[in-house]
Amino acid sequence: GQNIDQPTEMTATEGAIVQINCTYQTSGFNGLFWYQQHAGEAPTFLSYNVLDGLEEKGRFSSFHRRSKGYSYLLLKELQMKDSASYLCAAMDSNYQLIWGAGTKLIIKP
Amino acid sequence: ETGVTQTPRHLVMGMTNKKSLKCEQHLGHNAMYWYKQSAKKPLELMFVYSLEERVENNSVPSRFSPECPNSSHLFLHLHTLQPEDSALYLCASSQEGPGSGGVEQYFGPGTRLTVT
Repeated sequence: GQNIDQPTEMTATEGAIVQINCTYQTSGFNGLFWYQQHAGEAPTFLSYNVLDGLEEKGRFSSFHRRSKGYSYLLLKELQMKDSASYLCAAMDSNYQLIWGAGTKLIIKP
Repeated sequence: ETGVTQTPRHLVMGMTNKKSLKCEQHLGHNAMYWYKQSAKKPLELMFVYSLEERVENNSVPSRFSPECPNSSHLFLHLHTLQPEDSALYLCASSQEGPGSGGVEQYFGPGTRLTVT
């Protein structure tokens, strides 16, 4: 079956660094997405990886290793506004997104 | 400012009611999606439309009926729902439909549905 695993909840301190891991099993692969969703709001796109390696966008970076079925989202210099759920999704051979349940990130002062 | 709007934002309905959810995208995209989001569960894809044609229906109960009159509008008609249908219903759009890799989806804020 197809499956995405990510931690349910993580806590980190303002100004610190946090890494949110995601492992996936899909029938075929056409990319790995990360979305951010603040409570009561729409998910917003953060990153897309299809090749192995690290993609950096400001304070956020996403890493992907296809052979391991693994990705992580790295958030640096954490701010209180980064408190949100982070959704990992893998696109299968039919170009359908398989979603994880999301990781709720709590930032403490 | 999201380019995808949804109305209503909140809806409470009885099991015998009929209601409709509306989604509109202002991005000139060709594909639109309906998702169901329940607490602590992954997003569930319900329907996909590409160029106003339905291309995906993930075994959704017939009490949910989608309608896509044009590429900018998407409706979800609801009738005789069950309490377990209470969830956040998200609409999304993308430039291209299924078959195009790496295409990010833009989401609306969702309709919080409660079935009593």
